[in-house]
Amino acid sequence: GAGVSQSPSNKVTEKGKDVELRCDPISGHTALYWYRQRLGQGLEFLIYFQGNSAPDKSGLPSDRFSAERTGESVSTLTIQRTQQEDSAVYLCASGGTNTGELFFGEGSRLTVL
Amino acid sequence: GENVEQHPSTLSVQEGDSAVIKCTYSDSASNYFPWYKQELGKRPQLIIDIRSNVGEKKDQRIAVTLNKTAKHFSLHITETQPEDSAVYFCAVSWGEYGNKLVFGAGTILRVKS
Repeated sequence: GAGVSQSPSNKVTEKGKDVELRCDPISGHTALYWYRQRLGQGLEFLIYFQGNSAPDKSGLPSDRFSAERTGESVSTLTIQRTQQEDSAVYLCASGGTNTGELFFGEGSRLTVL
Repeated sequence: GENVEQHPSTLSVQEGDSAVIKCTYSDSASNYFPWYKQELGKRPQLIIDIRSNVGEKKDQRIAVTLNKTAKHFSLHITETQPEDSAVYFCAVSWGEYGNKLVFGAGTILRVKS
């Protein structure tokens, strides 16, 4: 596609359930980022991929959070045993090899009841 | 890690006036400084960026200035219009490969007509 696609756009889940969020970056973009944005807040860095490798996982809030990327393309962010504080919009962004413009997806809005 | 501070958190200006948003950062090795605009319910989009080898960059009504010695950079919007109302985020490249983007907390800009 022409832009970054994320799915689902909205997800409501019960506390304790696992969720998977998907990101399809722009074709050919080697860099892929996940950010979390709580309501009215800034962009919190979670994890960054260069190709299929994640040189920086420092932003993952806890071991309940994990992410992978395959084929230098699709990435999945998994949150296990969700908690209410996980409620947020999870934004994915992709970019070229060198630091430059990031193109963001529309985000996946997660609500944990 | 990199620490990015953004001020002010909210800014109200009259249509036609100028708006200035400032960010400071901590890592002197950072070399890329973009600004993103996020309209309500939309994804962040790049509006202007600057690299460390220049001190100023201008694109129509928007300009960014960089002071590497003082480790701060600013966004200037002249002749503000109602459609400039949005949240603006500064970001700084950081990390071993300089390709991790750390964002400021954001500035809510309201342009009153």
